Amino acid sequence: GALVYQYPRRTICKSGTSMRMECQAVGFQATSVAWYRQSPQKTFELIALSTVNSAIKYEQNFTQEKFPISHPNLSFSSMTVLNAYLEDRGLYLCGADNSGNTLYFGEGSRLIVV
Amino acid sequence: QEKVQQSPESLIVPEGAMVSLNCSFSDSASQSIWWYQQHPGKGPKALISIFSNGNKKEGRLTVYLNRASLHVSLHIKDSQPSDSAVYLCAVSLDTNAYKVIFGKGTHLHVLP
Repeated sequence: GALVYQYPRRTICKSGTSMRMECQAVGFQATSVAWYRQSPQKTFELIALSTVNSAIKYEQNFTQEKFPISHPNLSFSSMTVLNAYLEDRGLYLCGADNSGNTLYFGEGSRLIVV
Repeated sequence: QEKVQQSPESLIVPEGAMVSLNCSFSDSASQSIWWYQQHPGKGPKALISIFSNGNKKEGRLTVYLNRASLHVSLHIKDSQPSDSAVYLCAVSLDTNAYKVIFGKGTHLHVLP
């Protein structure tokens, strides 16, 4: 079956430092990857959509300068949170899609900023 | 911007009860609606989706979509304690699944 693995599951970082998270699709080809953030007391916010061989599309309030994303092949994507501050804390989810029908989510990378 | 509202915020039911979860959305051009289940500390898992007006049944789950009233509901028959989770309604504005807008979810507790 289709599985999505995210790493690391949890990171504690000092304010102003950066955190890189990875997303691996197993059992299917992730032609598109969506990165979401679930902040405390909020629902999921779409950060950006990445499709292999296409430009990455960032949503309003999210930029490449702050959340650079790499999607080099059909099974892997990574995203970095640069200069993380308190407002960046939350659960970062990777959702991968192979046919435009269903998003398969990983279990998330939780960012704690101290 | 599409808005997705879910109700109730939380629900406690005894084992075996029928559970009804509601979701309303703001854009009639919405393509598909998904229901996801999220257990604590886990990522959301897709349960069932619907595109056309009417209903769709899969196992103990039935989803009803009424585009005219911008409303979709999920019904869980014979609820089990393992169904306890947050249920998220997600609406897509395009034909691809990845651009979805999520509601805040309904916390379901099924008591044994």
